Amino acid sequence: DAGVIQSPRHEVTEMGQEVTLRCKPISGHNSLFWYRQTMMRGLELLIYFNNNVPIDDSGMPEDRFSAKMPNASFSTLKIQPSEPRDSAVYFCASSFIEEQFFGPGTRLTVL
Amino acid sequence: AQSVTQLDSQVPVFEEAPVELRCNYSSSVSVYLFWYVQYPNQGLQLLLKYLSGSTLVKGINGFEAEFNKSQTSFHLRKPSVHISDTAEYFCAVVSSGTYKYIFGTGTRLKVLA
Repeated sequence: DAGVIQSPRHEVTEMGQEVTLRCKPISGHNSLFWYRQTMMRGLELLIYFNNNVPIDDSGMPEDRFSAKMPNASFSTLKIQPSEPRDSAVYFCASSFIEEQFFGPGTRLTVL
Repeated sequence: AQSVTQLDSQVPVFEEAPVELRCNYSSSVSVYLFWYVQYPNQGLQLLLKYLSGSTLVKGINGFEAEFNKSQTSFHLRKPSVHISDTAEYFCAVVSSGTYKYIFGTGTRLKVLA
């Protein structure tokens, strides 16, 4: 298996633009997680899905952030409009039972 | 509510010396415990996990950890570190039967030549 796949790996955009991050979980995994990592705040859980259903989105910082999982093999995290403080590395992870497998991350820079 | 505390934000150690990275957690229910490693510009990779059974858990790259329920700790150890162990290490806890992981703030291990 190729592991968790995220795209793009790097994204540079201007404030106010829409940003969409993509994730393909490992086949057969039924849980998917989106995290944000910054120097100041460390690793933060934004949202997690189980069987494509959002279970807990309490970590989503504000209404500018939204996430979807239309099927078991694809998820998106959208930021609209983006702001400089959204600059971070965004990780997607998937799991079947206990262990989470992380993707390589998307480094987002909002100018 | 669960929480995880990694007491040391940075740990410098000389090559071939032993190292211990500390992790304490709080939870009112039974938990699973994990250590992940993050190399520069990469995602997190599982080092080892405790689910049940033996309290001494062995992982990859020569690391091991001991679950101590009375002290609510899960410290990570390696008897002899290499330069390649330089990375950030995260402790995580999840309540059994749930999916929500709580990660610690990380410990940056720097191995010196």
